[in-house]
Amino acid sequence: GAVVSQHPSWVICKSGTSVKIECRSLDFQATTMFWYRQFPKQSLMLMATSNEGSKATYEQGVEKDKFLINHASLTLSTLTVTSAHPEDSSFYICSARDRRGADLAEAFFGQGTRLTVV
Amino acid sequence: GENVEQHPSTLSVQEGDSAVIKCTYSDSASNYFPWYKQELGKRPQLIIDIRSNVGEKKDQRIAVTLNKTAKHFSLHITETQPEDSAVYFCAASKFGFGNEKLTFGTGTRLTIIP
Repeated sequence: GAVVSQHPSWVICKSGTSVKIECRSLDFQATTMFWYRQFPKQSLMLMATSNEGSKATYEQGVEKDKFLINHASLTLSTLTVTSAHPEDSSFYICSARDRRGADLAEAFFGQGTRLTVV
Repeated sequence: GENVEQHPSTLSVQEGDSAVIKCTYSDSASNYFPWYKQELGKRPQLIIDIRSNVGEKKDQRIAVTLNKTAKHFSLHITETQPEDSAVYFCAASKFGFGNEKLTFGTGTRLTIIP
C-alpha cells in the first residue's frame, strides 16, 4: 500500500513554545490530508482537513490559530501547535488517500507523533 | 454530522474462540466502513473494509457484515490468536461526496487469553 511518513515520532517541548509536525506522502500525491488527535485510551478525533493550495477545514471546537496547518505541496502537510501547553500533550496522526490505487477509499496513516509538553 | 458508536469497549476472548465487535452509525449517507487495528503507540492498520453496496465481506479469519437498514456493522474474528490482541476501531465515511473524512468509533480493547 501507499506510504505516509510522519516526523518527528515523538517530541518534548516546553510550555509556551511551538512545535511543527510533518506529514509526507512518500509515493503518491495527496491533495487532501487529515489530522487526528488521540488522547490515551481514546479514539481518533479529526482535527482538520488539510487541502493542498487552500485553507484547511477545521472541525468544530478546534482552534485554527492554535493548530496551524499548511499544505504547500502535493506530498507535504504540516501541523504547527503554537504556544503549546500541557493539555496539548497527545498523539497526533495524519492520514491521506492514494487516489491512484485500486481501492480509492483506503486511508493510509502516518506513524504518529507523540507530543509531550512540559 | 456523523456519529459512530462502538461496543463493547473491552472484550476478552479465549484463544481459538470468536470475537464480535459492533458499531452503529447515524448518517444514512455514509457508504464506506473500514475497521482498523491499532497496537499501543502505533498507527492504525486497516484490516478490512466494506462499502454500502455489499452486505458481507470476508478475508480469512476476519469478516465484516453491514446492515444498512439498521445502520450497523460488525467485525467478526474467528479462531482468535494472541496476536489479535489490540484495540480495534470502526469508522464511517461518505466517500465520493467531497467530504471523505473518517468518523471513528470509541474503540474496543480486545484481549486474547492463551
